Amino acid sequence: GNSVTQMEGPVTLSEEAFLTINCTYTATGYPSLFWYVQYPGEGLQLLLKATKADDKGSNKGFEATYRKETTSFHLEKGSVQVSDSAVYFCALSYYSSASKIIFGSGTRLSIRP
Amino acid sequence: DTGVSQDPRHKITKRGQNVTFRCDPISEHNRLYWYRQTLGQGPEFLTYFQNEAQLEKSRLLSDRFSAERPKGSFSTLEIQRTEQGDSAMYLCASIGRDTEAFFGQGTRLTVV
Repeated sequence: GNSVTQMEGPVTLSEEAFLTINCTYTATGYPSLFWYVQYPGEGLQLLLKATKADDKGSNKGFEATYRKETTSFHLEKGSVQVSDSAVYFCALSYYSSASKIIFGSGTRLSIRP
Repeated sequence: DTGVSQDPRHKITKRGQNVTFRCDPISEHNRLYWYRQTLGQGPEFLTYFQNEAQLEKSRLLSDRFSAERPKGSFSTLEIQRTEQGDSAMYLCASIGRDTEAFFGQGTRLTVV
C-alpha cells in the first residue's frame, strides 16, 4: 500500500542553522506530495506541495523537490527561525475524487534562539 | 483562518458516554475527510465524503463510530460508548477542485 516515511524527531537546531527533514514515500503512479506544518495548539496548514516529478514546492523559505527516482521529498530551509518551531508532516495524495491523504508520523522541530 | 471550522474544540467525557463532533467545511468544497491524531503520530484517515455520499471508511472506524454529511454540507462524527482509547484529536479537512486539503483546528477528545 501507499505510505510515507519521515525522519524521526525531535530535531533541535540553533537559529539560522540549515534544516533538512527527510521524507520518502511508497506509492504507485504519480501522487502529489505535500508538507504540512502544525504549530502548537493549531490545526494542520499546507506548507508547500509538488504535483509532478522534478517540481519544486516552496513557501516561507522552505523548499522540497519531488524526486521520483529516489521516491523522496525532503524539506529544506537555509536559515531557520525560532518561529519555525512546529511539527512537520510529509504527505501524499492522488488527484482523484476518491483519494485520501496519507501522512507520515511527523517530525517535531525546535529552534533555539 | 483556514475556513474549516470544528465544534467543540475540546470535549471531556466519561467512559461509556456518547459524543458528537461537528465540522463545517469550506462552502464550495465537495470532499470532506475525518482524521484522528494521537500524540506523536501523524493523522490517521477515518472516513471520506464526496458531497453527501460516504465513499470510504477506514478499518479504524469501528461500529461505535458513525459519520454523516446530510445535504453535502456540514458533517458530524459520533462516537458511541466512548472508551479511553478514543482519546485523541479529531481533525476535519475539506478539499475543493485540486488536492490541497484545508484542515480545521480539530476537536480534542479526552475520555476519563
